[in-house]
Amino acid sequence: DVKVTQSSRYLVKRTGEKVFLECVQDMDHENMFWYRQDPGLGLRLIYFSYDVKMKEKGDIPEGYSVSREKKERFSLILESASTNQTSMYLCASRESQVHGYTFGSGTRLTVV
Amino acid sequence: GQQLNQSPQSMFIQEGEDVSMNCTSSSIFNTWLWYKQDPGEGPVLLIALYKAGELTSNGRLTAQFGITRKDSFLNISASIPSDVGIYFCAGLANTGNQFYFGTGTSLTVIP
Repeated sequence: DVKVTQSSRYLVKRTGEKVFLECVQDMDHENMFWYRQDPGLGLRLIYFSYDVKMKEKGDIPEGYSVSREKKERFSLILESASTNQTSMYLCASRESQVHGYTFGSGTRLTVV
Repeated sequence: GQQLNQSPQSMFIQEGEDVSMNCTSSSIFNTWLWYKQDPGEGPVLLIALYKAGELTSNGRLTAQFGITRKDSFLNISASIPSDVGIYFCAGLANTGNQFYFGTGTSLTVIP
């Protein structure tokens, strides 16, 4: 089974801090995604990547950036955390365009 | 981005009852997925549908790809307490690169 591992389950950060959320998958998938999940809004795509060093903006990229230096690792960066970025962040990977995503367990980020 | 309309938003049912939920879109999709998310965890794929009219089962779960290709349905028979969670649909358009997700149906099963 594909495993997608997010480095932290819970994080508390201060407003203005630079925050790194790490995601690693172990099945050599080329496609990786970052979503945020908020009550009543479902899952919204922040950024995705189809290959190393490649990134594409999703629906809500403002305030975020990403890094994909190695195929197995996809990092989400909050350049200057704000309270409206308090959310559950989910990383996912998939084998190809028609395959479903495999999700990590999520990182619940609180910005105070 | 596109959002799928998923209903109902929440359900409270007695153990043993059957459950039905659905997802609709204004766009035609080529693939429909159904996920379940347990509290504090990431979503887990339950069923994938690839053809209009397709009916697929996974244990007590059955999902259907609507013939209009704009909707999908998930049924759970004889619910049990471990069915509790949030169920999400997701759809992939013909020209799309990403799946779009519904807003989720929160299921509570009362023993």
